[in-house]
Amino acid sequence: DGGITQSPKYLFRKEGQNVTLSCEQNLNHDAMYWYRQDPGQGLRLIYYSQIVNDFQKGDIAEGYSVSREKKESFPLTVTSAQKNPTAFYLCASSIGRAAQPQHFGDGTRLSIL
Amino acid sequence: GESVGLHLPTLSVQEGDNSIINCAYSNSASDYFIWYKQESGKGPQFIIDIRSNMDKRQGQRVTVLLNKTVKHLSLQIAATQPGDSAVYFCAENIPNTGNQFYFGTGTSLTVIP
Repeated sequence: DGGITQSPKYLFRKEGQNVTLSCEQNLNHDAMYWYRQDPGQGLRLIYYSQIVNDFQKGDIAEGYSVSREKKESFPLTVTSAQKNPTAFYLCASSIGRAAQPQHFGDGTRLSIL
Repeated sequence: GESVGLHLPTLSVQEGDNSIINCAYSNSASDYFIWYKQESGKGPQFIIDIRSNMDKRQGQRVTVLLNKTVKHLSLQIAATQPGDSAVYFCAENIPNTGNQFYFGTGTSLTVIP
């Protein structure tokens, strides 16, 4: 089945540690996105990529980094600079044109030890 | 910035009744909207979308209505079933940003058997 796979489902981070969240899609979509979801808030955009080897900051990029070396993969690193990393992280993808549905993975829940 | 909001944070309905979930948007230039369903611990699932050249669009048991005059969007679910229990939120395509969206905070729908 085509879809978006996020791993791991649960992740724990120690103080001062960087952690990387995986996102893989086999939908042949050009665009990929990372969102953060906190209770009572709408999804907030962290980073997005419209094409391989290119990505742009979203509204809350500080403390995060991404790469887009392959079309199907868009990993997110939560760095130690992100002081409040506990959240539910969602990856999405869409075809490369405007005004098209974004399709989501099932998320990674990151917690601090 | 402009944002998408929901009128009711929670909604409880009897199984078999119809459900209506509302959403207000503030950018009159927005021309594409999506409704998502999110079950606990999972990623958002696309339900239905509508473009601004339409007032109504129907899917299987769901209907989306768009009132551009008052910038209001609604999702109607017919014959609500226990499996419909979830958080529903709308998304508004941000004009001139490619495929970026504002996401509402969501309405929690509980279906009473």
